[in-house]
Amino acid sequence: QKEVEQNSGPLSVPEGAIASLNCTYSDRGSQSFFWYRQYSGKSPELIMFIYSNGDKEDGRFTAQLNKASQYVSLLIRDSQPSDSATYLCAVNDDYKLSFGAGTTVTVRA
Amino acid sequence: DVKVTQSSRYLVKRTGEKVFLECVQDMDHENMFWYRQDPGLGLRLIYFSYDVKMKEKGDIPEGYSVSREKKERFSLILESASTNQTSMYLCASSPTGQTNEKLFFGSGTQLSVL
Repeated sequence: QKEVEQNSGPLSVPEGAIASLNCTYSDRGSQSFFWYRQYSGKSPELIMFIYSNGDKEDGRFTAQLNKASQYVSLLIRDSQPSDSATYLCAVNDDYKLSFGAGTTVTVRA
Repeated sequence: DVKVTQSSRYLVKRTGEKVFLECVQDMDHENMFWYRQDPGLGLRLIYFSYDVKMKEKGDIPEGYSVSREKKERFSLILESASTNQTSMYLCASSPTGQTNEKLFFGSGTQLSVL
């Protein structure tokens, strides 16, 4: 089983601040990396994916990948109360995904 | 919209019972998955299937089996339920391809084994 580790949290940030989520993975051969958001009592939904080293931006979300360091992160800029959720990092493993345990983010109004 | 439907939202069973969890997807996806989610452990893959009648063990298959007789339906079977199988069970599907960048999840089944 491929190991995917996330910073344990919970993470509490004030509204308007940047939330920074980190994830490391064990398999140097991993090619695809994903961030899922899961609201309490709901199913995970994909918010970002990244394949290449560097940054990928989508609205207020930025995913960063460093394959040499086996590290992927998610930045949430201008955090809103609606961003309060658990964020799951996932790494491809052939036909399937391996997930981290998740980091719970709370945005304080 | 893709829809992945799990038959029950909440289920309570007794130790030793045989339990069936059903999952149906309506997007003609080749790949289907069963995960369980426990606090602090994230999502752990139980079984997956990349074609009808095909199945592969995930990371924690012990105590479970699956059935995929039709493309749209993937069933998880607990042969003899035990209390340590109390968990949230999530079914997911995705189209064919090696990188499953978008898993479509069902709403989950919270199973309690007493």
